[in-house]
Amino acid sequence: DVVMTQSPLSLPVTLGQPASISCRSGQTLVYSDGNTYLHWFQQRPGQSPRRLIYRVFNRDSGVPDRFSGSGSGTDFTLKISRVEAEDVGVYYCMQATHWPFTFGQGTKLEIK
Amino acid sequence: QVQLVESGGGLVKPGGSLRLSCTASGFTFSDLYMSWIRQAPGKGLEYISYISPSGTDIIYADSVKGRFTISRDNAKSSLYLQMNSLRAEDTAVYYCARTARQGDYWGQGTLVIVSS
Repeated sequence: DVVMTQSPLSLPVTLGQPASISCRSGQTLVYSDGNTYLHWFQQRPGQSPRRLIYRVFNRDSGVPDRFSGSGSGTDFTLKISRVEAEDVGVYYCMQATHWPFTFGQGTKLEIK
Repeated sequence: QVQLVESGGGLVKPGGSLRLSCTASGFTFSDLYMSWIRQAPGKGLEYISYISPSGTDIIYADSVKGRFTISRDNAKSSLYLQMNSLRAEDTAVYYCARTARQGDYWGQGTLVIVSS
């Protein structure tokens, strides 16, 4: 299985400050169709996961533009330019290139 | 708007069976792959199965292979997960999700507890 390693696992951030989460995969995530199936999800307390970013850098509809994704191959990053109170929750990266699809351990973002 | 509503969870004894359902609306269900993903209490996420629009392309994680069966009824816009020989480690919230590789919409989940 492809291991997805996120860091940090805990991320205390001051409101209005930037935040960054790293996700590294054990294998390249470029699929045979040329796409890289690396997505980012947000799970707010008591809610189901919501996709924020798909295929590395594409923002989902309704996702604020303070969220951005980048990376390639095996190294990926989710950035929040200015953290707001509603961003509290757990963030997961997920690879859907190799079966079984796998998730990172999750990064818990909290307000300092 | 896209809606996915899971049902069928509950308390079951080890070795027992349960059938989960997911009713979809807001999109053409018969056009898309569908998936099941689970999350053990306080733990991370595990992708357990997906099924193609026609039902001919099905895959399972090793942890559930031979015990769980995914299926769908396109006429009813419904996805199912038949779970047999349940174990304590199957205790989790089970989510259905739209598509396989994209996982763009998830339901609210249904809780399955396997305990004697």
